[in-house]
Amino acid sequence: DVKVTQSSRYLVKRTGEKVFLECVQDMDHENMFWYRQDPGLGLRLIYFSYDVKMKEKGDIPEGYSVSREKKERFSLILESASTNQTSMYLCASSSSPGAYEQYFGPGTRLTVT
Amino acid sequence: AQSVTQPDIHITVSEGASLELRCNYSYGATPYLFWYVQSPGQGLQLLLKYFSGDTLVQGIKGFEAEFKRSQSSFNLRKPSVHWSDAAEYFCAVGANQAGTALIFGKGTTLSVSS
Repeated sequence: DVKVTQSSRYLVKRTGEKVFLECVQDMDHENMFWYRQDPGLGLRLIYFSYDVKMKEKGDIPEGYSVSREKKERFSLILESASTNQTSMYLCASSSSPGAYEQYFGPGTRLTVT
Repeated sequence: AQSVTQPDIHITVSEGASLELRCNYSYGATPYLFWYVQSPGQGLQLLLKYFSGDTLVQGIKGFEAEFKRSQSSFNLRKPSVHWSDAAEYFCAVGANQAGTALIFGKGTTLSVSS
């Protein structure tokens, strides 16, 4: 089975802190994704990557950056956390070449105070 | 613009009753279609997928979905709902094209009454 793990299930950070959310997949998938999920808004794509060191902006990239130095790891970075970034963050991966089914991690509930 | 619409935000069904969750999509290319389920506090789990072929697809946990191209719909069904089916359900559409991502609907929350 595909396994996607996220570094933390729950995280509490202060406004202005730099926050790293880590995601690792063990199935050699080319594509990896970061979403945020908010009530009533569904899943919104922040960034995705279809190869090492490659990244594409999703629908809501503002305030976020990403890093993919190794195929299995995709990091989401909040350069200066703000309260409006309090949310559930979901990581996913899929095989190439396109939007095949995505496999999701358990999510990180981030609270910024 | 490409989009997925799940018209029902919240549905309540009695245990043992049948279920249908609606999904309509707008997508220019031949779509790949998915249904995911999310239990409280968890990530999303794939229920079923449609790529091509038979328009009625079977998934896990007794779910099925039917692709109707003429109606741009991919509705999810289950003949008899169990209390453990209470969750949030997401429909998604994508394409077999490099550098693309799935487009998700906003989800339907299913409650099951006894």
